[in-house]
Amino acid sequence: DGGITQSPKYLFRKEGQNVTLSCEQNLNHDAMYWYRQDPGQGLRLIYYSQIVNDFQKGDIAEGYSVSREKKESFPLTVTSAQKNPTAFYLCASSIGDNRALLGYTFGSGTRLTVV
Amino acid sequence: KNEVEQSPQNLTAQEGEFITINCSYSVGISALHWLQQHPGGGIVSLFMLSSGKKKHGRLIATINIQEKHSSLHITASHPRDSAVYICAVRLKNAGGTSYGKLTFGQGTILTVHP
Repeated sequence: DGGITQSPKYLFRKEGQNVTLSCEQNLNHDAMYWYRQDPGQGLRLIYYSQIVNDFQKGDIAEGYSVSREKKESFPLTVTSAQKNPTAFYLCASSIGDNRALLGYTFGSGTRLTVV
Repeated sequence: KNEVEQSPQNLTAQEGEFITINCSYSVGISALHWLQQHPGGGIVSLFMLSSGKKKHGRLIATINIQEKHSSLHITASHPRDSAVYICAVRLKNAGGTSYGKLTFGQGTILTVHP
């Protein structure tokens, strides 16, 4: 079945360590997104990528980095520069910015706790 | 003011009740999504609307583009409907084309008691 796989589901890291969250999709979607969710707040966009080898900062990109070397994969690195990294991280993908308004799919999320 | 506002923030109902969750937005959009998030965190897309009304089982979603408002209705609610319901919009840019990025409401926490 096609979908988005995020791993791991739960992740614990020590303060000051970088950590990379995985996001893989087999939907042949062009665009991929990373969102952060904090309690009581709507999801906020961290980074997005419309095509391979290209990505753009979202609303809260500071302290994060991404890469898009393959269409299927869009890993997110939470660096030590991110002041409040403990959050729920969601990856999503869609067919494309200016195409049919279908196919927006979310992963199951990764809950990152920094101790 | 947030670009997407949902109401109510919390909603408690008894099994069988008719439920309405509202979403208002302040910008031009190309589409509106209704999403469901269960306690485990994963999000499921329920509807995507650009006009009119859609129905899937006990769920109905409507949108009024002129009034910049959408509603999600659940008929004959059931405890398994308990979840967070999120409204999200795709913004239009000045050229009128659609971005893939979504802007989210803060969510409505629905609890349905047996």
